[in-house]
Amino acid sequence: GQSLEQPSEVTAVEGAIVQINCTYQTSGFYGLSWYQQHDGGAPTFLSYNALDGLEETGRFSSFLSRSDSYGYLLLQELQMKDSASYFCAVSSAGPGGSYIPTFGRGTSLIVHP
Amino acid sequence: DGGITQSPKYLFRKEGQNVTLSCEQNLNHDAMYWYRQDPGQGLRLIYYSQIVNDFQKGDIAEGYSVSREKKESFPLTVTSAQKNPTAFYLCASSPGQAEPQHFGDGTRLSIL
Repeated sequence: GQSLEQPSEVTAVEGAIVQINCTYQTSGFYGLSWYQQHDGGAPTFLSYNALDGLEETGRFSSFLSRSDSYGYLLLQELQMKDSASYFCAVSSAGPGGSYIPTFGRGTSLIVHP
Repeated sequence: DGGITQSPKYLFRKEGQNVTLSCEQNLNHDAMYWYRQDPGQGLRLIYYSQIVNDFQKGDIAEGYSVSREKKESFPLTVTSAQKNPTAFYLCASSPGQAEPQHFGDGTRLSIL
């Protein structure tokens, strides 16, 4: 089956840089995604890596190393509004040519003033 | 505006009752998904559908059922066989398989 590991909680101060790591075990890996979820809200898509390397989207960047089954989300110039839960998710091969998404348990990011 | 609409936002179920959660999307996405989220937990996949008239069980399908008769709609029924249904239910869609997902605002289900 599929499994993902990410830290349960990370704390940082406003203006700092923080990295949230994600390691995964899966078969037929297709891609790694990152989502943000504020308390009581729905997840929103942040970034996606299908190939090795760094993807940059504004203050957020995501990195993937398929050979290491590892990725991370980098948040720069942290703001108070970045306090939220962050989930990594992988897509892997399922029955009948389908792709099954699996989410990690999430990392709670707390940004202090 | 394109998006995913889930209804109702809050739902209460009596013992022994089946309830149906609605999910509609106007993004013209082929794939749709249902997840369950418990407090402080990640998202667990209940069912997913890659195309109309086809769907697959996820990790926790027992006690749930779905249908995909139209591309836009993917309703989830929580049956009386699901003994612990209290959770936050999220519906999502993606353009195709393994692509990033767009989520609805969710339905909170509780037992009366």
